[in-house]
Amino acid sequence: NAGVMQNPRHLVRRRGQEARLRCSPMKGHSHVYWYRQLPEEGLKFMVYLQKENIIDESGMPKERFSAEFPKEGPSILRIQQVVRGDSAAYFCASSRRDSRTDTQYFGPGTRLTVL
Amino acid sequence: AQTVTQSQPEMSVQEAETVTLSCTYDTSENNYYLFWYKQPPSRQMILVIRQEAYKQQNATENRFSVNFQKAAKSFSLKISDSQLGDTAMYFCAFMKGETGANSKLTFGKGITLSVRP
Repeated sequence: NAGVMQNPRHLVRRRGQEARLRCSPMKGHSHVYWYRQLPEEGLKFMVYLQKENIIDESGMPKERFSAEFPKEGPSILRIQQVVRGDSAAYFCASSRRDSRTDTQYFGPGTRLTVL
Repeated sequence: AQTVTQSQPEMSVQEAETVTLSCTYDTSENNYYLFWYKQPPSRQMILVIRQEAYKQQNATENRFSVNFQKAAKSFSLKISDSQLGDTAMYFCAFMKGETGANSKLTFGKGITLSVRP
């Protein structure tokens, strides 16, 4: 049973470009969470999605960031017009259902570097 | 809002010995969950142990156990018989227990643990 998949593992963008990060949850998991880890920091929650729905986006920056989890295909975290401060590791986690009863399993992360 | 504090930035332990990692948290919730995650150099986040706040018994997973003190809002992780593979960053995390949308994790800043041969 494959774990949570994220791609790319490393992404380099120049300032002003767009970054698209993909997350394929574990088989049978319909809940996806995105977290960001800045250097020397813990993970910070960004957004929680279920299929075709954004449940909680309280951790998402108001501008340039968006997320989706379509009926078919992976969840996408999109960052428009990237700036150097967006450089971080972005982790996706998935769970089978509500994480109060089910563990969140993490992917290996995407390390974004903005030049 | 919930906060999770890990005040020790790093610790070191000799192989086969025992080490305790500290974590405190602040919340007004009565129903919640606490976690320890491990992040080795590969940067993969791995769940080590989970504790439900309504359970008085401390959780254990093989060599890993917790000391959960609800009144003191303390949640420390004890690693017994430390192994070289335990070298990693360890993050303490909190999740509200109420039903609804709040199943996000709130993490501390982490502690770097080095196991010496």
